[in-house]
Amino acid sequence: GENVEQHPSTLSVQEGDSAVIKCTYSDSASNYFPWYKQELGKGPQLIIDIRSNVGEKKDQRIAVTLNKTAKHFSLHITETQPEDSAVYFCAANNYGQNFVFGPGTRLSVLP
Amino acid sequence: EAQVTQNPRYLITVTGKKLTVTCSQNMNHEYMSWYRQDPGLGLRQIYYSMNVEVTDKGDVPEGYKVSRKEKRNFPLILESPSPNQTSLYFCASSLFAGGDTQYFGPGTRLTVL
Repeated sequence: GENVEQHPSTLSVQEGDSAVIKCTYSDSASNYFPWYKQELGKGPQLIIDIRSNVGEKKDQRIAVTLNKTAKHFSLHITETQPEDSAVYFCAANNYGQNFVFGPGTRLSVLP
Repeated sequence: EAQVTQNPRYLITVTGKKLTVTCSQNMNHEYMSWYRQDPGLGLRQIYYSMNVEVTDKGDVPEGYKVSRKEKRNFPLILESPSPNQTSLYFCASSLFAGGDTQYFGPGTRLTVL
């Protein structure tokens, strides 16, 4: 079955700097890769996603890149702000099958 | 308001006492799913349902049951809970089975003594 690894497990950055979180997946059949943000005491919330026919996607300060050959995808957050502090999860999905999540990255943005 | 609701939000129970955690969505979503979240392990899918009367196992289905008799409801049943099922549980739904935004409920924190 699918296996998703995520690095780093914790990440601290200064406000205004960039943050990068990387994930790798094992199943070449996976074709949908969402990123979720989880704030304390809440359920995860989708922040961006990418499908296998696209190499990069941006939404304001957030971008995701996908390398299908290497089976890895990354989340990039630019100009980080204190409200970006949260736990971030990547996931991989083969349409119609189950979702497999990475173990999460705790991001701290220091003022 | 479009949302996924779970009840109860907190539950402390004892080993072997059957319990049900309810999940309901008001967005007419076809796909619903249950996850458990444990420190260092992220979210692991327990069961999912692609539509009414269609359910399938996720990565960690042992000790759990589900049913999908109506489109809006997807209860999680623990027939004989054990301490290793102490966890934070999330229900989620999306319009379609894959490649679509999943909306998560607020979570249910379960403690089995």
